[in-house]
Amino acid sequence: AQSVTQLDSQVPVFEEAPVELRCNYSSSVSVYLFWYVQYPNQGLQLLLKYLSGSTLVESINGFEAEFNKSQTSFHLRKPSVHISDTAEYFCAVSEIGGANNLFFGTGTRLTVIP
Amino acid sequence: DTAVSQTPKYLVTQMGNDKSIKCEQNLGHDTMYWYKQDSKKFLKIMFSYNNKELIINETVPNRFSPKSPDKAHLNLHINSLELGDSAVYFCASSPRQGTDEQYFGPGTRLTVT
Repeated sequence: AQSVTQLDSQVPVFEEAPVELRCNYSSSVSVYLFWYVQYPNQGLQLLLKYLSGSTLVESINGFEAEFNKSQTSFHLRKPSVHISDTAEYFCAVSEIGGANNLFFGTGTRLTVIP
Repeated sequence: DTAVSQTPKYLVTQMGNDKSIKCEQNLGHDTMYWYKQDSKKFLKIMFSYNNKELIINETVPNRFSPKSPDKAHLNLHINSLELGDSAVYFCASSPRQGTDEQYFGPGTRLTVT
């Protein structure tokens, strides 16, 4: 079975400051890793994913995440946040070769302060 | 063009009633899912369908039943609604089983009074 831990339920940060949202996972099998973003009153959108290859993955809007197998982590970072980044961020895993069942963390609410 | 759509967006009903939530995807995907997001924003898989065949059924009460009339639709029927069923329900789809990204609908906020 898989589980995902997002230790920070809320992260307030000033505009143009850097941010890191933490994600740790536990699994008895190899997994794929995802970050999804949920803007207010909307569904989830894929932000970025790690399937294989380079452990550093990037999104088109400046976010990046690094897969660290030894620490079973997939932290999300952005060097300079914007007001529009205010949203709920969910880390998720799915079992490699499995049924594509996503297991989500409890989410981190990022609030960007002007 | 909405890729994954759900109706209704809001649903308020009384305990004991039976209700349905509809989901449609126009992406030509093979696999569709239902997730429940509780009041603490925790998301949990409920069902997934691959080519009209149920492949996952997590520990969900049998009052919940998914119905897929065709590959583009996966509706969620809920019988004898309870207060604890209040949540936001998200439909999602993916091209196939495996590594593919899941595309989520906008959600249906169900409130049971």
